[in-house]
Amino acid sequence: QVQLKESGPGLVAPSQSLSITCTVSGFSLTGYGVNWVRQPPGKGLEWLGMIWGDGSTDYNSALKSRLSISKDNSKSQVFLKMNSLQTDDTARYYCARERPAYYAMDYWGQGTSVTVSS
Amino acid sequence: DIQMTQSPASLSASVGETVTITCRASENIYSYLLWYQQKQGKSPQLLVYNAKTLAEGVPSRFSGSGSGTQFSLKINSLQPEDFGSYYCQHHYGTPYTFGGGTKLEIK
Repeated sequence: QVQLKESGPGLVAPSQSLSITCTVSGFSLTGYGVNWVRQPPGKGLEWLGMIWGDGSTDYNSALKSRLSISKDNSKSQVFLKMNSLQTDDTARYYCARERPAYYAMDYWGQGTSVTVSS
Repeated sequence: DIQMTQSPASLSASVGETVTITCRASENIYSYLLWYQQKQGKSPQLLVYNAKTLAEGVPSRFSGSGSGTQFSLKINSLQPEDFGSYYCQHHYGTPYTFGGGTKLEIK
């Protein structure tokens, strides 16, 4: 069955960078896009960006300069990297599969919590 | 970027009631509108795509409507498992944006 699972560092110091891996199973990354979405504690959802099946990427306009999304199809892994973290980057970070037929996030990982603190 | 505005931000209702959540887009997005449900401590789940098509397994008491810039999600005969937060999101090209969310609580 389709599964996505995020793994991240948990705690990041201010001004440092964040790297999160999304490991997928049950589908091929060459046929599906993967989105990244975050949710600060007690707040709403924010789309960060995505990588399409062909490897092209799109990003949140406000965060574009700090974000990088890449993948390794052979390992079924998608990577999110964010630079220059600040306390307001504290959030739960989710990866979600993009259903090609209707461009919606049809399967989500459980998310990984990231706290930015010294 | 397209801005999505949801209302109300919070809503209190009883089991059996009917509620409606609205979502407004800052520009015409035709029918490229999604709705997600998120229960406390869980990941979001897709409810509706293309403004009015229910995702697989979604009960028929949920219905989506609207086009252009005005959309709504209606839940008939609320059940205990329907309480949580609801988010709209446009899928009229990237960058995607979500509405601010509506928290539906038990009265």
